[in-house]
Amino acid sequence: RKEVEQDPGPFNVPEGATVAFNCTYSNSASQSFFWYRQDCRKEPKLLMSVYSSGNEDGRFTAQLNRASQYISLLIRDSKLSDSATYLCVVNLDTGRRALTFGSGTRLQVQP
Amino acid sequence: DTGVSQNPRHKITKRGQNVTFRCDPISEHNRLYWYRQTLGQGPEFLTYFQNEAQLEKSRLLSDRFSAERPKGSFSTLEIQRTEQGDSAMYLCASSSRAGGSSYNEQFFGPGTRLTVL
Repeated sequence: RKEVEQDPGPFNVPEGATVAFNCTYSNSASQSFFWYRQDCRKEPKLLMSVYSSGNEDGRFTAQLNRASQYISLLIRDSKLSDSATYLCVVNLDTGRRALTFGSGTRLQVQP
Repeated sequence: DTGVSQNPRHKITKRGQNVTFRCDPISEHNRLYWYRQTLGQGPEFLTYFQNEAQLEKSRLLSDRFSAERPKGSFSTLEIQRTEQGDSAMYLCASSSRAGGSSYNEQFFGPGTRLTVL
């Protein structure tokens, strides 16, 4: 079983739509959670951290469910520029200091 | 540009050759990480440094791979006797706790794309 699992997609949505991605992680001791965005052939960039109480940044809302060990990202009013791969990232906190990335969910927003 | 830089951006080599990549982190970042990414996958951790000390190595880092950060600034990743399976994007990232940041907020460089023929 992968440590961090995501639906690879692609999610094809029209502009203005609301889309949600989920991600599950295997280690219940995980402490830190993030969403990174990666454009085609570019490096990953931090989109937002995910806090236990949930957090919002403009059109983006991230939530954490520790009991079920999943993280979600909701994008409202999708823009063409949101088209990218969204990587779920976890610090598994097994004494490691590196991040563990999911394989990513590809989003394609269509006009 | 004050971001993470990597050189070269692309490297094509023949199987069996040695290659070396360089990463220059954001100047005040004391942690530096190497990841490898293949098509359709997320980045996979290889190793990381705090200052000049290499604190963790992944099982992915076979004995053909070696990384250094001699003065706690730039880092090099060397692959000896390259194999076709080494073809991937090699990403470097850096982080710091300065200014209230978290070590978990890692900033990535553009990567070095390695193709082994």
